[in-house]
Amino acid sequence: EDKVVQSPLSLVVHEGDTVTLNCSYEVTNFRSLLWYKQEKKAPTFLFMLTSSGIEKKSGRLSSILDKKELFSILNITATQTGDSAVYLCAVDNYGQNFVFGPGTRLSVLP
Amino acid sequence: SQTIHQWPATLVQPVGSPLSLECTVEGTSNPNLYWYRQAAGRGLQLLFYSVGIGQISSEVPQNLSASRPQDRQFILSSKKLLLSDSGFYLCAWSVWAGNEQFFGPGTRLTVL
Repeated sequence: EDKVVQSPLSLVVHEGDTVTLNCSYEVTNFRSLLWYKQEKKAPTFLFMLTSSGIEKKSGRLSSILDKKELFSILNITATQTGDSAVYLCAVDNYGQNFVFGPGTRLSVLP
Repeated sequence: SQTIHQWPATLVQPVGSPLSLECTVEGTSNPNLYWYRQAAGRGLQLLFYSVGIGQISSEVPQNLSASRPQDRQFILSSKKLLLSDSGFYLCAWSVWAGNEQFFGPGTRLTVL
Protein backbone atom coordinates (compact mmCIF):
# COMPACT_ATOMS: atom_id res chain seq x y z
CA GLU A 1 0.00 0.00 0.00
CA ASP A 2 1.32 3.45 -0.94
CA LYS A 3 2.35 5.47 2.08
CA VAL A 4 3.68 8.93 2.94
CA VAL A 5 5.28 9.60 6.31
CA GLN A 6 6.14 13.02 7.71
CA SER A 7 8.32 13.99 10.64
CA PRO A 8 8.20 15.53 13.07
CA LEU A 9 4.44 15.55 13.55
CA SER A 10 4.70 18.68 15.65
CA LEU A 11 7.37 21.34 16.05
CA VAL A 12 7.62 24.50 18.15
CA VAL A 13 10.30 27.09 17.37
CA HIS A 14 10.97 30.76 17.95
CA GLU A 15 10.96 33.48 15.34
CA GLY A 16 14.21 33.58 13.42
CA ASP A 17 14.91 29.86 13.76
CA THR A 18 15.46 27.64 10.74
CA VAL A 19 13.35 24.48 10.46
CA THR A 20 13.58 21.36 8.35
CA LEU A 21 10.49 19.27 7.72
CA ASN A 22 10.83 15.73 6.44
CA CYS A 23 8.71 13.63 4.11
CA SER A 24 9.46 10.03 3.14
CA TYR A 25 7.38 7.89 0.85
CA GLU A 26 6.78 4.38 -0.38
CA VAL A 27 4.82 4.22 -3.60
CA THR A 28 4.70 1.71 -6.42
CA ASN A 29 4.97 4.38 -9.12
CA PHE A 30 6.30 7.86 -8.39
CA ARG A 31 5.53 10.86 -10.57
CA SER A 32 5.91 13.88 -8.32
CA LEU A 33 5.93 15.10 -4.72
CA LEU A 34 4.07 18.18 -3.58
CA TRP A 35 4.20 20.37 -0.50
CA TYR A 36 1.19 22.29 0.79
CA LYS A 37 0.74 24.77 3.63
CA GLN A 38 -2.52 24.50 5.53
CA GLU A 39 -3.44 27.30 7.87
CA LYS A 40 -6.98 27.58 9.11
CA LYS A 41 -8.75 25.92 6.24
CA ALA A 42 -7.73 24.87 2.76
CA PRO A 43 -4.17 23.85 1.89
CA THR A 44 -2.26 26.17 -0.43
CA PHE A 45 0.24 24.85 -2.90
CA LEU A 46 3.96 25.45 -2.23
CA PHE A 47 6.13 23.25 -4.45
CA MET A 48 6.01 20.39 -6.90
CA LEU A 49 9.16 18.27 -7.18
CA THR A 50 9.80 15.73 -9.90
CA SER A 51 13.58 15.46 -10.20
CA SER A 52 16.21 14.58 -7.64
CA GLY A 53 18.70 17.15 -6.47
CA ILE A 54 17.05 20.24 -7.92
CA GLU A 55 16.20 22.71 -5.20
CA LYS A 56 13.05 24.75 -5.53
CA LYS A 57 12.96 28.09 -3.73
CA SER A 58 10.30 30.61 -2.91
CA GLY A 59 11.43 33.36 -0.59
CA ARG A 60 12.45 31.80 2.72
CA LEU A 61 11.11 28.39 1.74
CA SER A 62 13.03 25.78 -0.20
CA SER A 63 12.57 22.11 -0.94
CA ILE A 64 14.54 19.29 -2.48
CA LEU A 65 13.79 15.72 -3.49
CA ASP A 66 15.92 12.57 -3.26
CA LYS A 67 14.34 9.88 -5.43
CA LYS A 68 16.99 7.33 -4.55
CA GLU A 69 16.38 7.56 -0.81
CA LEU A 70 12.67 8.31 -1.29
CA PHE A 71 12.39 11.50 0.71
CA SER A 72 12.01 15.23 0.49
CA ILE A 73 12.74 18.07 2.89
CA LEU A 74 11.13 21.46 3.24
CA ASN A 75 13.32 24.17 4.76
CA ILE A 76 12.10 27.42 6.21
CA THR A 77 14.72 29.98 7.17
CA ALA A 78 14.25 32.97 9.48
CA THR A 79 10.84 31.72 10.54
CA GLN A 80 8.03 34.16 11.27
CA THR A 81 4.81 33.73 13.23
CA GLY A 82 2.97 33.69 9.91
CA ASP A 83 4.72 30.44 9.06
CA SER A 84 2.69 28.70 11.75
CA ALA A 85 0.62 26.10 9.92
CA VAL A 86 0.34 22.43 9.10
CA TYR A 87 2.65 21.47 6.24
CA LEU A 88 1.40 18.61 4.12
CA CYS A 89 3.42 16.39 1.83
CA ALA A 90 1.69 14.50 -0.97
CA VAL A 91 2.89 12.08 -3.63
CA ASP A 92 1.40 11.55 -7.05
CA ASN A 93 1.59 7.82 -7.65
CA TYR A 94 0.52 7.98 -11.29
CA GLY A 95 -3.03 7.44 -10.20
CA GLN A 96 -5.76 9.99 -10.47
CA ASN A 97 -5.01 11.36 -7.03
CA PHE A 98 -2.38 12.05 -4.42
CA VAL A 99 -1.40 10.18 -1.29
CA PHE A 100 -1.09 12.63 1.59
CA GLY A 101 1.04 12.38 4.71
CA PRO A 102 -0.32 13.25 8.16
CA GLY A 103 1.28 16.69 8.13
CA THR A 104 3.72 18.53 10.39
CA ARG A 105 2.21 21.12 12.70
CA LEU A 106 4.66 24.03 12.98
CA SER A 107 4.20 26.65 15.67
CA VAL A 108 6.42 29.72 15.53
CA LEU A 109 6.51 31.69 18.78
CA PRO A 110 7.31 35.41 18.86
CA SER B 1 -8.86 33.27 -12.89
CA GLN B 2 -10.13 30.08 -11.38
CA THR B 3 -12.03 29.94 -8.10
CA ILE B 4 -13.54 27.10 -6.15
CA HIS B 5 -16.51 27.39 -3.84
CA GLN B 6 -17.86 25.10 -1.15
CA TRP B 7 -20.94 25.36 0.97
CA PRO B 8 -21.99 25.30 3.60
CA ALA B 9 -18.95 26.39 5.58
CA THR B 10 -20.10 24.63 8.72
CA LEU B 11 -22.81 22.08 9.36
CA VAL B 12 -24.14 20.34 12.44
CA GLN B 13 -26.32 17.33 11.74
CA PRO B 14 -27.85 14.56 13.88
CA VAL B 15 -26.90 10.93 13.38
CA GLY B 16 -29.06 9.30 10.71
CA SER B 17 -29.82 12.51 8.84
CA PRO B 18 -28.95 13.03 5.16
CA LEU B 19 -26.05 15.10 3.88
CA SER B 20 -25.39 17.17 0.79
CA LEU B 21 -22.21 19.21 0.35
CA GLU B 22 -21.68 21.16 -2.82
CA CYS B 23 -18.54 22.24 -4.63
CA THR B 24 -18.35 24.39 -7.75
CA VAL B 25 -15.41 25.57 -9.81
CA GLU B 26 -15.30 28.68 -11.96
CA GLY B 27 -12.92 29.74 -14.68
CA THR B 28 -11.91 26.35 -16.05
CA SER B 29 -13.41 23.57 -18.13
CA ASN B 30 -13.39 19.81 -17.59
CA PRO B 31 -11.37 19.91 -14.38
CA ASN B 32 -10.48 16.83 -12.34
CA LEU B 33 -12.45 17.12 -9.11
CA TYR B 34 -11.75 15.59 -5.72
CA TRP B 35 -13.41 15.19 -2.33
CA TYR B 36 -11.14 14.78 0.69
CA ARG B 37 -11.84 14.37 4.39
CA GLN B 38 -9.48 15.49 7.11
CA ALA B 39 -10.16 13.95 10.49
CA ALA B 40 -8.60 15.60 13.52
CA GLY B 41 -4.86 14.92 13.71
CA ARG B 42 -4.76 12.95 10.49
CA GLY B 43 -3.74 13.66 6.92
CA LEU B 44 -6.10 14.22 4.05
CA GLN B 45 -7.97 11.10 2.96
CA LEU B 46 -9.18 10.98 -0.62
CA LEU B 47 -12.84 9.98 -0.78
CA PHE B 48 -13.83 10.42 -4.43
CA TYR B 49 -12.43 11.81 -7.64
CA SER B 50 -13.97 12.59 -10.99
CA VAL B 51 -12.44 13.11 -14.41
CA GLY B 52 -15.69 14.12 -16.10
CA ILE B 53 -19.46 14.47 -15.87
CA GLY B 54 -21.00 11.35 -14.39
CA GLN B 55 -17.60 9.70 -13.86
CA ILE B 56 -16.94 9.01 -10.19
CA SER B 57 -14.25 6.85 -8.63
CA SER B 58 -14.47 5.87 -4.99
CA GLU B 59 -11.33 5.41 -2.96
CA VAL B 60 -12.70 4.10 0.31
CA PRO B 61 -15.84 2.12 1.13
CA GLN B 62 -18.20 4.15 3.29
CA ASN B 63 -21.72 5.45 3.54
CA LEU B 64 -20.89 8.49 1.43
CA SER B 65 -21.47 8.95 -2.28
CA ALA B 66 -20.52 11.58 -4.84
CA SER B 67 -22.07 12.88 -8.02
CA ARG B 68 -21.03 15.22 -10.80
CA PRO B 69 -24.18 16.42 -12.52
CA GLN B 70 -22.42 19.25 -14.36
CA ASP B 71 -18.86 19.83 -15.56
CA ARG B 72 -17.91 22.13 -12.71
CA GLN B 73 -20.16 20.84 -9.94
CA PHE B 74 -19.27 18.09 -7.51
CA ILE B 75 -21.62 16.93 -4.75
CA LEU B 76 -20.90 14.79 -1.70
CA SER B 77 -23.92 13.04 -0.20
CA SER B 78 -25.03 10.60 2.42
CA LYS B 79 -28.41 9.06 3.10
CA LYS B 80 -27.71 8.49 6.80
CA LEU B 81 -24.83 10.16 8.63
CA LEU B 82 -22.73 8.34 11.20
CA LEU B 83 -20.83 9.86 14.12
CA SER B 84 -17.61 8.89 12.36
CA ASP B 85 -18.51 11.11 9.41
CA SER B 86 -17.58 14.19 11.45
CA GLY B 87 -14.61 16.00 10.02
CA PHE B 88 -13.39 18.67 7.66
CA TYR B 89 -14.34 18.08 4.03
CA LEU B 90 -12.31 19.64 1.28
CA CYS B 91 -13.07 19.83 -2.42
CA ALA B 92 -10.19 20.31 -4.85
CA TRP B 93 -9.63 20.63 -8.57
CA SER B 94 -6.73 20.14 -10.94
CA VAL B 95 -6.20 20.64 -14.64
CA TRP B 96 -5.44 16.96 -14.99
CA ALA B 97 -4.16 14.12 -12.84
CA GLY B 98 -0.65 14.82 -11.56
CA ASN B 99 -0.97 18.58 -11.59
CA GLU B 100 -1.10 20.47 -8.35
CA GLN B 101 -4.51 20.59 -6.79
CA PHE B 102 -6.28 23.72 -5.66
CA PHE B 103 -8.52 23.44 -2.65
CA GLY B 104 -11.79 25.03 -1.69
CA PRO B 105 -12.41 26.66 1.71
CA GLY B 106 -13.80 23.44 3.18
CA THR B 107 -16.87 22.41 5.17
CA ARG B 108 -16.64 21.49 8.83
CA LEU B 109 -19.21 18.79 9.55
CA THR B 110 -20.17 17.81 13.08
CA VAL B 111 -22.44 14.82 13.52
CA LEU B 112 -24.10 14.61 16.93
